Amino acid sequence: ETGVTQSPTHLIKTRGQQVTLRCSSQSGHNTVSWYQQALGQGPQFIFQYYREEENGRGNFPPRFSGLQFPNYSSELNVNALELDDSALYLCASSTGASGGNTIYFGEGSWLTVV
Amino acid sequence: QKEVEQNSGPLSVPEGAIASLNCTYSDRGSQSFFWYRQYSGKSPELIMFIYSNGDKEDGRFTAQLNKASQYVSLLIRDSQPSDSATYLCAVLVNSGYALNFGKGTSLLVTP
Repeated sequence: ETGVTQSPTHLIKTRGQQVTLRCSSQSGHNTVSWYQQALGQGPQFIFQYYREEENGRGNFPPRFSGLQFPNYSSELNVNALELDDSALYLCASSTGASGGNTIYFGEGSWLTVV
Repeated sequence: QKEVEQNSGPLSVPEGAIASLNCTYSDRGSQSFFWYRQYSGKSPELIMFIYSNGDKEDGRFTAQLNKASQYVSLLIRDSQPSDSATYLCAVLVNSGYALNFGKGTSLLVTP
């Protein structure tokens, strides 16, 4: 139990639709990162939020966007869904903008785009 | 793109043996290294992290880091069938905010 909760756990969307995934970070953790894990691959960094500001971004297009709220919870939004967006989306929480030494993942949200 | 390389496996070891999982990385400036275990259909679970050259032990797990060789490994002693999973090596990139993962090594511990 990492204290990082994500919702929904599974969802199916149609190509072209939009999706919002949610994450509540572990108590005391002010940094939230999002990762995409395709089948058979390691997780790929999407972006990180620290104190409600985007703190870094990986190689993902602008249709991947996010928010962090004052309580440090976070959302990942993906617009204009493509079939290749089908993946496990992971939220990770940690302390400090530099990630810290404890980076814990939530259970993930499985997204299928059809 | 800085690389983190792992053998995809599967690595098969008998129950009770030592499993040795290896990882190399290309970014010489990397400072922090993590091992995660991921069961099929589940999210990655942090096993341990290491910063300094040498060995770090936690129960049946030992992480080994050699920065000169840009090599990090994970040893699992007294392997159990429940250790069968994919093991992900991750490196905290220089900027300090993103983990760069390898593709993982699949470990199978046979009874």
